[in-house]
Amino acid sequence: DAGVIQSPRHEVTEMGQEVTLRCKPISGHNSLFWYRQTMMRGLELLIYFNNNVPIDDSGMPEDRFSAKMPNASFSTLKIQPSEPRDSAVYFCASRQGLGGANVLTFGAGSRLTVL
Amino acid sequence: AQSVTQLDSQVPVFEEAPVELRCNYSSSVSVYLFWYVQYPNQGLQLLLKYLSGSTLVKGINGFEAEFNKSQTSFHLRKPSVHISDTAEYFCAVSRTFQGAQKLVFGQGTRLTINP
Repeated sequence: DAGVIQSPRHEVTEMGQEVTLRCKPISGHNSLFWYRQTMMRGLELLIYFNNNVPIDDSGMPEDRFSAKMPNASFSTLKIQPSEPRDSAVYFCASRQGLGGANVLTFGAGSRLTVL
Repeated sequence: AQSVTQLDSQVPVFEEAPVELRCNYSSSVSVYLFWYVQYPNQGLQLLLKYLSGSTLVKGINGFEAEFNKSQTSFHLRKPSVHISDTAEYFCAVSRTFQGAQKLVFGQGTRLTINP
């Protein structure tokens, strides 16, 4: 099992550009989470999906952020247009089942720098 | 609502000394509690979890945590730390939203081991 795979690992872009982060969850996991990590705010849950359906997007900062999960093996987090304050590490995590006892497995993260 | 407070943002200790990382949660219902570790430039990994039963939970790398319902605490301990334990540690609680459970993290505690 290759674990949760995120790409790109590092992204440097200029303000105003579109950024797309990608995630492949562990096969068989039906819940997927997007987190953002910054020094100031720590780990924030942006959005999560169950069976490809968004359940809670209350953590998405604003309309510039959007997330999709077209199938069970792929999800994207898009920022358009990007701003310097979006600079952070973005983590994707997946879990089998809806229960809180089930463990989240995290990807290695995508480090985004917006100049 | 469930939330998590990690009382120390940074904890420096000497190698082979014991360490305790503190975590308090707020919840009026039964909870699932977790400790995750993040090594530099990596994603989060599960250290241990409390679901039910024995209040003393043992995890990987010699860590253990004790669930204390009366004090709403879930402190992490290790009797003798190594340089390799240098990392950031996150306490987390499961929170129910629309029938599914998501993980809410504390702000993290950076553990630094000095030789």
